[in-house]
Amino acid sequence: AQSVSQHNHHVILSEAASLELGCNYSYGGTVNLFWYVQYPGQHLQLLLKYFSGDPLVKGIKGFEAEFIKSKFSFNLRKPSVQWSDTAEYFCAVKGNNRLAFGKGNQVVVIP
Amino acid sequence: DAGVIQSPRHEVTEMGQEVTLRCKPISGHNSLFWYRQTMMRGLELLIYFNNNVPIDDSGMPEDRFSAKMPNASFSTLKIQPSEPRDSAVYFCASRPDIRGNSPLHFGNGTRLTVT
Repeated sequence: AQSVSQHNHHVILSEAASLELGCNYSYGGTVNLFWYVQYPGQHLQLLLKYFSGDPLVKGIKGFEAEFIKSKFSFNLRKPSVQWSDTAEYFCAVKGNNRLAFGKGNQVVVIP
Repeated sequence: DAGVIQSPRHEVTEMGQEVTLRCKPISGHNSLFWYRQTMMRGLELLIYFNNNVPIDDSGMPEDRFSAKMPNASFSTLKIQPSEPRDSAVYFCASRPDIRGNSPLHFGNGTRLTVT
């Protein structure tokens, strides 16, 4: 079964700073990759997804992620964060019809 | 569409009591998933159904946990008897089908506290 690793569980940064969250997975087969966001008190929402094609994926709210197959990584980035980006971010990997989540990154953006 | 609907939103109960969590998937979605979220273990898949049939329940922690999907528009997750370590947020999610590439749609979750 696949596993997903997210590092730096807690991230604190100021508005306008750049954000990068790492996601590494272990699975040898074909994968679909997702980033979900959970705002305080809300349910998980899809930020972006990768199935095939261009490894640089653009999502909502200015987020993007890059799939690097050789590194088994799918890192999430945003060039300039806002206070409203305070949330928990989950990387998820689907392989063999099972979806596995990472433990999440708690991101706090200070105004 | 109203999205995935879960009830109750919050549940506080005493150890030993039976707890039933409910989920209504998005109309037309054939696959339904139950996840549990805790600080220690993150999001864990408990069980998923396809066309109302349980496909994989290997994530169900113990026999105290059971899930049913009597029809395409309703599922329950039951814990009997409940224990304090069951305290978590339980999410239900649905998607059109098990093999497609569409993402999961999550409900708002049920926050369970067992005292």
